[in-house]
Amino acid sequence: EAQVTQNPRYLITVTGKKLTVTCSQNMNHEYMSWYRQDPGLGLRQIYYSMNVEVTDKGDVPEGYKVSRKEKRNFPLILESPSPNQTSLYFCASSFSVNEQFFGPGTRLTVL
Amino acid sequence: RKEVEQDPGPFNVPEGATVAFNCTYSNSASQSFFWYRQDCRKEPKLLMSVYSSGNEDGRFTAQLNRASQYISLLIRDSKLSDSATYLCVVRFRGSARQLTFGSGTQLTVLP
Repeated sequence: EAQVTQNPRYLITVTGKKLTVTCSQNMNHEYMSWYRQDPGLGLRQIYYSMNVEVTDKGDVPEGYKVSRKEKRNFPLILESPSPNQTSLYFCASSFSVNEQFFGPGTRLTVL
Repeated sequence: RKEVEQDPGPFNVPEGATVAFNCTYSNSASQSFFWYRQDCRKEPKLLMSVYSSGNEDGRFTAQLNRASQYISLLIRDSKLSDSATYLCVVRFRGSARQLTFGSGTQLTVLP
């Protein structure tokens, strides 16, 4: 089944404790992206990747890192999470930017 | 001012009703337009692209007005299963990397 998977789906953590949210797709897509979704603000792009070893900042990259060592994986790293990073996070992939396939989301709470 | 603006709703309509959503975008150099659908606590999914001449997909009609910089989505004969949040999405010209999402319009179809 073609899909984008994210793990974990839910995470409660404390300020400053490094965490990684994994994202994997099995559709051989070159383009992958991370978004956060907050009430009233919609989806905002954090980082995106056009291909392996090619990543770039989106609209809200501060406090996040990504890597793209393999085509299928695009992990999101929070080196020192803070409460303002509490959000719903989505990973997405696609052949083109237009139709993006989203993962199920990761609900993160930073205390 | 947000680049893509939508009336957040909620729109509560009876089954069988026709409902329309509008979305305005601020950047006239916009290239591509889409409607995505997001069910409660789920990931967004592409509903339909929006073409300059307007397009239909079953009960759904999308229209684009470049002069006034808005797009619309019309849903005829609403079903209970149409209850969701509808996201207006714009790809700006020259932005190979990015889709810009509106914050969504919530629709509830009532029995």
